[in-house]
Amino acid sequence: GIQVEQSPPDLILQEGANSTLRCNFSDSVNNLQWFHQNPWGQLINLFYIPSGTKQNGRLSATTVATERYSLLYISSSQTTDSGVYFCAAVNQFYFGTGTSLTVIP
Amino acid sequence: DAGVIQSPRHEVTEMGQEVTLRCKPISGHDYLFWYRQTMMRGLELLIYFNNNVPIDDSGMPEDRFSAKMPNASFSTLKIQPSEPRDSAVYFCASSPPDRFYEQFFGPGTRLTVL
Repeated sequence: GIQVEQSPPDLILQEGANSTLRCNFSDSVNNLQWFHQNPWGQLINLFYIPSGTKQNGRLSATTVATERYSLLYISSSQTTDSGVYFCAAVNQFYFGTGTSLTVIP
Repeated sequence: DAGVIQSPRHEVTEMGQEVTLRCKPISGHDYLFWYRQTMMRGLELLIYFNNNVPIDDSGMPEDRFSAKMPNASFSTLKIQPSEPRDSAVYFCASSPPDRFYEQFFGPGTRLTVL
């Protein structure tokens, strides 16, 4: 199956800082998606982004399918951004192990 | 509009007992997914349905697990008999027609098998 690697595994930020999370795939994928799991366990869709760039508020994502990676950008981070960020090849149901983000006030 | 509803939210049972987890998808959604999350294995798809029909159950760990979707508004995941290694958080998700990837997750059921 496809290997999904996320980096960094853990990240601690001061509130207001920017960050970039990366997702690498061992093979070509389609239907790439980013999720956020908040500290209470709720999973939320962030982006469906098989290719190109999308933005939603302070978050944006870019997927370069030909090079088998995707990036999630968080700008001006807030404490509510804390949690675990997962990328996934949704059609094949391969999930990464996540990046755990802690934003400190 | 209510989101995906799961019950119970927490379940503690003893090894060998039958466990039934329930899910009500968002009205109008025709895909329903069951996932399991553990520290060791992360998020795994167990099974998904489209229009109440199981499409892919390759993630169901073994015969002790079964899932049904008798109608568009209800699904169950049953474990019989339960084992301690089944302890996990079980998520149900649903997505709208033609937007398979736009999954909305329920709050999860935290299962502990003693």
